[in-house]
Amino acid sequence: AQSVAQPEDQVNVAEGNPLTVKCTYSVSGNPYLFWYVQYPNRGLQFLLKYITGDNLVKGSYGFEAEFNKSQTSFHLKKPSALVSDSALYFCAVRDGYSSASKIIFGSGTRLSIRP
Amino acid sequence: GAGVSQSPSNKVTEKGKDVELRCDPISGHTALYWYRQRLGQGLEFLIYFQGNSAPDKSGLPSDRFSAERTGESVSTLTIQRTQQEDSAVYLCASSLERSRSTEAFFGQGTRLTVV
Repeated sequence: AQSVAQPEDQVNVAEGNPLTVKCTYSVSGNPYLFWYVQYPNRGLQFLLKYITGDNLVKGSYGFEAEFNKSQTSFHLKKPSALVSDSALYFCAVRDGYSSASKIIFGSGTRLSIRP
Repeated sequence: GAGVSQSPSNKVTEKGKDVELRCDPISGHTALYWYRQRLGQGLEFLIYFQGNSAPDKSGLPSDRFSAERTGESVSTLTIQRTQQEDSAVYLCASSLERSRSTEAFFGQGTRLTVV
């Protein structure tokens, strides 16, 4: 079985400061990991993914995420937060080993950037 | 089409009535997913199609929920005898499934309100 956890319901950061949104996962095989962002009254937008290779992956809007196999984590990061980054962020995982695996999402973390 | 299209965008129905929600995936995308998002909460997996077969229906909440897909095209999610607890945004996503590493693209969702 696969699962993903986002331990923080809310993260508050001052504009210009670095931000981290945490995600941990569990899969039987190789993890395929994704981050999505949801702005108010809009659908989910893909930010970035880890499949294989470099543990640090870069995505849209200056976001990056670090894959850590030993800690089974895939935290989302940004060096300098913008007020416009305020949104709901979802981590997702898929079991790359299974031939018919679904994409499972975490419960979401609301990121609030104060001016 | 250019993106995943869902219709209707909003649906208000009376308790006990049946509803059909439609999803048009991105042309050529073989995988299609349905999720439910209750207000302020995360994404709850409902069902996953690979082509027109559904290898994973484990998320359907009850036998009042069913879904079908025609070929690698349109999918409909049907909720029979709707209950107030069914009120949520229903999100559809599709992905190009050459490998399981491809990300899913989401529609804008159907907001269902059961009164």
